[in-house]
Amino acid sequence: DAGVIQSPRHEVTEMGQEVTLRCKPISGHNSLFWYRQTMMRGLELLIYFNNNVPIDDSGMPEDRFSAKMPNASFSTLKIQPSEPRDSAVYFCASSPRTSGNTGELFFGEGSRLTVL
Amino acid sequence: AQTVTQSQPEMSVQEAETVTLSCTYDTSESDYYLFWYKQPPSRQMILVIRQEAYKQQNATENRFSVNFQKAAKSFSLKISDSQLGDAAMYFCAYRSPGTSYGKLTFGQGTILTVHP
Repeated sequence: DAGVIQSPRHEVTEMGQEVTLRCKPISGHNSLFWYRQTMMRGLELLIYFNNNVPIDDSGMPEDRFSAKMPNASFSTLKIQPSEPRDSAVYFCASSPRTSGNTGELFFGEGSRLTVL
Repeated sequence: AQTVTQSQPEMSVQEAETVTLSCTYDTSESDYYLFWYKQPPSRQMILVIRQEAYKQQNATENRFSVNFQKAAKSFSLKISDSQLGDAAMYFCAYRSPGTSYGKLTFGQGTILTVHP
């Protein structure tokens, strides 16, 4: 079975440009998470969705960041305008919501963003 | 809010030897889940082992086992018969049940080096 699929794997852009990161969760999973990883701050939860609905976006750093989940098989994280401090690895993860679920998250390979 | 602390930024072990990675957490909840994730150089986060707080028995997965001390809020990972492929960054993570279903809080990570 395919795992969580993220694209692009690497993105290099210039300050001020719009960046869109994409995620396809595992089929049947109805919780989706966006995490950001940096050396300074480690792994931070940005936002998560249950059944396509944003539940907690308190980790989104500022209005330049937005995330959408238009359907159960696709989500985007958008940064507009991008800044050098946004450089990080962005992970998407999904999880099934079943009675037996212990909350294990299944992660994609991450998108490494570099903003010059 | 829950916090997770990994006090060892780096650890090293000889191949075939045993190493223990430390993790402590802070919570007022009585029911929760704990995880160890592995992040190899490929970046993808891989679940190593999980522990339910209500279970007194320590979880074991092949060469990986945990020492869960609920009263002390400690959750260490023991890797036996270390292999070169175990070299990675290891993250301890906490999950609270309830409304934050599936949301994980991560520690800062421990880089494990395995020497041949």
